[in-house]
Amino acid sequence: EPEVTQTPSHQVTQMGQEVILRCVPISNHLYFYWYRQILGQKVEFLVSFYNNEISEKSEIFDDQFSVERPDGSNFTLKIRSTKLEDSAMYFCASRDRGQRETQYFGPGTRLLVL
Amino acid sequence: DAKTTQPPSMDCAEGRAANLPCNHSTISGNEYVYWYRQIHSQGPQYIIHGLKNNETNEMASLIITEDRKSSTLILPHATLRDTAVYYCIVRVEKGGKLIFGQGTELSVKP
Repeated sequence: EPEVTQTPSHQVTQMGQEVILRCVPISNHLYFYWYRQILGQKVEFLVSFYNNEISEKSEIFDDQFSVERPDGSNFTLKIRSTKLEDSAMYFCASRDRGQRETQYFGPGTRLLVL
Repeated sequence: DAKTTQPPSMDCAEGRAANLPCNHSTISGNEYVYWYRQIHSQGPQYIIHGLKNNETNEMASLIITEDRKSSTLILPHATLRDTAVYYCIVRVEKGGKLIFGQGTELSVKP
């Protein structure tokens, strides 16, 4: 069964460093999402991406964040200068073209900023 | 998106049916009810969704009231592996983002 994959599973970085989180969505999906979950808190929407551009972003998704689909398979989330409060699980999700189509989530990347 | 209300926690005996309620009294006509679950800190896992009619798949059943203001997710024979946080989400067609609440923490006990 097709699934969303994410790498790395864990990332430890120093405050101020740049990190890139990688996702491989399900191959025929066209809509891509990033969510995050701070430990003990709710899953929060960050950004949605379609047709090579951001379609919606939350207020969390400030200038420190960017997303890119560098090739036909990968979808990345970059944090330019990490802060302590960026420590969280980051989940990628994808769905097919129909508006009613279900989003499928990856296993997540646990980011720890020291 | 419509707000949903779920009990923060529930217990269920292994092998029994788990019935998880959700209130979504402000739901509008084009909004779907989705259920996801999250085991430990894994990625949310899709369970089922519906608009008006009751739905069933290999994982669960979804019962939506006639006025669509509430729904119940039924796990017919809960196992220990069903212990998770269950999220009821009302999603409009447009946009696609999911707004998660706190969910219901279901504990299945032997």
